[in-house]
Parts: sequence; structure tokens; C-alpha cells
Amino acid sequence: GAGVSQSPSNKVTEKGKDVELRCDPISGHTALYWYRQSLGQGLEFLIYFQGNSAPDKSGLPSDRFSAERTGGSVSTLTIQRTQQEDSAVYLCASSSPRYNEQFFGPGTRLTVL
Amino acid sequence: EDQVTQSPEALRLQEGESSSLNCSYTVSGLRGLFWYRQDPGKGPEFLFTLYSAGEEKEKERLKATLTKKESFLHITAPKPEDSATYLCAVQAWANNDMRFGAGTRLTVKP
Repeated sequence: GAGVSQSPSNKVTEKGKDVELRCDPISGHTALYWYRQSLGQGLEFLIYFQGNSAPDKSGLPSDRFSAERTGGSVSTLTIQRTQQEDSAVYLCASSSPRYNEQFFGPGTRLTVL
Repeated sequence: EDQVTQSPEALRLQEGESSSLNCSYTVSGLRGLFWYRQDPGKGPEFLFTLYSAGEEKEKERLKATLTKKESFLHITAPKPEDSATYLCAVQAWANNDMRFGAGTRLTVKP
């Protein structure tokens, strides 16, 4: 019964570098979400995966952001050519086919210098 | 556009002093309204889902209620360990994501 896990917990990078953030959802959860939480702000939706369906990318802020989900389980969020405004906590959540409550991981705190 | 507004932004209570947090929302076709608790440095922790006006749910000192325009999170006789940021979110039938409010930061003093 492990919860959602994310890695790394903290990431410091230089402006212009690419970063990859990983999310392991709860076993059996078919839906996976990525959100971004900036300091003092609410959660901002980024992308949604449901089973083998095409992802809902409507929340991605620019084409520097992309995500994939392999085998319907682990997901990776990639940010290319990072900018200082990308600094935030990136949260992953998953939900089961039966209930639509989303369960969140601990987040990855990204700092772009 | 779906919108969620939470008030107050911050609330300071004495231990045992009951109060309520407000979540006002506009959404086209409510699928669910969610309450989460978030402690510093951690991801949001699920508390409740409400689906229709008139519905109420309780958990320990917390009780969530829902009308067609707003939800309240009532905190009865709070303890210092209830200190956290409480987030409200709505999900519409037409969308896949949840729209979050900015949260209410609750501090309970002993």
C-alpha cells in the first residue's frame, strides 16, 4: 500500500539546463496528473494521463514542458532549457478507476538558478 | 471558466475555538468538490469529496458541507496539530483536472 512517490525530492539546476522529474503512482491507479505549485499560489494543472488514452496536455505552459508515461505506470516530466520562472514544487497525483479522489506525492522542489 | 475562491487567506485560532473556512466556486457541471490538507513541504492530503448540494461529511474535528455555490469546512474545537493549509478544489464533468483555490492557512495556538 505505498503511496505516490516522486524523485528527486529537490533539484537545483542552472538556467538553460534540462531536468527530468519522476513519479511512481499508486499501484492500480490508471489516472496520473502533474501539477505545479509556485510559492504562495494554488496548484496549477499541467498534464493528465488516463490508461492508454492520449494525454490531456492542455495545462502545459510552453513547449519546453513534456511528459510521458511508460507502461501505464511511471511518468516522467521533462522541462527543457529551464528558466527561473520554472522554479516551483512539481506535484504528481494518481487516482483509481472507481473513485476520482486524487492522491498526491510529496513533490519535487525545483530551483533554477 | 471554472473558479475557486477561498477565504480567509489566513486564520489564527486559539485551541478549542471553533470556526469555518469558506470555498466559493463556479463550475459548469460539478463532478466533485474536494478538500485537502497540506503541511509545509508535503503534498496535499485528501480529506473529503462532496458531490451534490446538501451533502455533508465528517472526519474527527472536521465537517465539510456543500451548497450550489460554496462549501464550508467546519473545524470544531481545533488542536494545534490541525494547523495546516486547507485547499479546496472542484472538478467538472467536462474536464480531467481539478481547479484549486489558493488555500486557507490555519494556525491553532495552544
